[in-house]
Amino acid sequence: DIQMTQSPSTLSASVGDRITITCRASESFSTWLAWYQQKPRKAPKLLIYKTSNLESGVPSRFSGSGSGTEFTLTISSLQPDDFATYYCQQYYSYPWTFGQGTKVEIK
Amino acid sequence: EVQLLESGGGLAQPGGSLRLTCAGSGLNVNTYAMSWVRQSPGKGLEWVSYISAGGGSTSLADSVKGRFTVSRDKSKNTVYLHMNTLRDEDTGVYYCAKAADYYGLDVWGQGTTVTVSS
Repeated sequence: DIQMTQSPSTLSASVGDRITITCRASESFSTWLAWYQQKPRKAPKLLIYKTSNLESGVPSRFSGSGSGTEFTLTISSLQPDDFATYYCQQYYSYPWTFGQGTKVEIK
Repeated sequence: EVQLLESGGGLAQPGGSLRLTCAGSGLNVNTYAMSWVRQSPGKGLEWVSYISAGGGSTSLADSVKGRFTVSRDKSKNTVYLHMNTLRDEDTGVYYCAKAADYYGLDVWGQGTTVTVSS
């Protein structure tokens, strides 16, 4: 199974900050990686698919990059609506696996 | 509006069974591969199962293999997660999601809560 490790687990930041979340895979795979945002008591929402493609309707301040075993999610200018938990997920091979999540908190 | 609607959650005893249902609204579930993902209280997301659009291909997480099965009923435009021999650690919110090979999990339901407790 491909293990996904996110860092940091918690990130404290202010509105307007640029933040980066990293996701590392236990083995290399292509670009079949997605990022999701989840707010308390809500279902996850797809933000980015295939490493760097922005889902329709997602603000352009979100971006993704990476390949092989290291992937990143960047928010260029954090907005109040962005305080949430973010998960990476590989869908290259079964079982599909998620990172443990990164909680973005208000500093 | 495109929606997925889960139902069937509730309280079950250890060793018991539940059947979760996922139906589409504004979305023809029959034409898409579907997955179930769960989230234990206060924890992260765990992928549970996959079923192809035709229903002929399925995959399950090791943690539920031999206890859970996934199926679909084309006549009802629904996908099911049959949960047997339930354990305490199966407690959580279960989401169904549209599984697109290119996009990942691009449409999610609101979730249904399963509680396994004596």
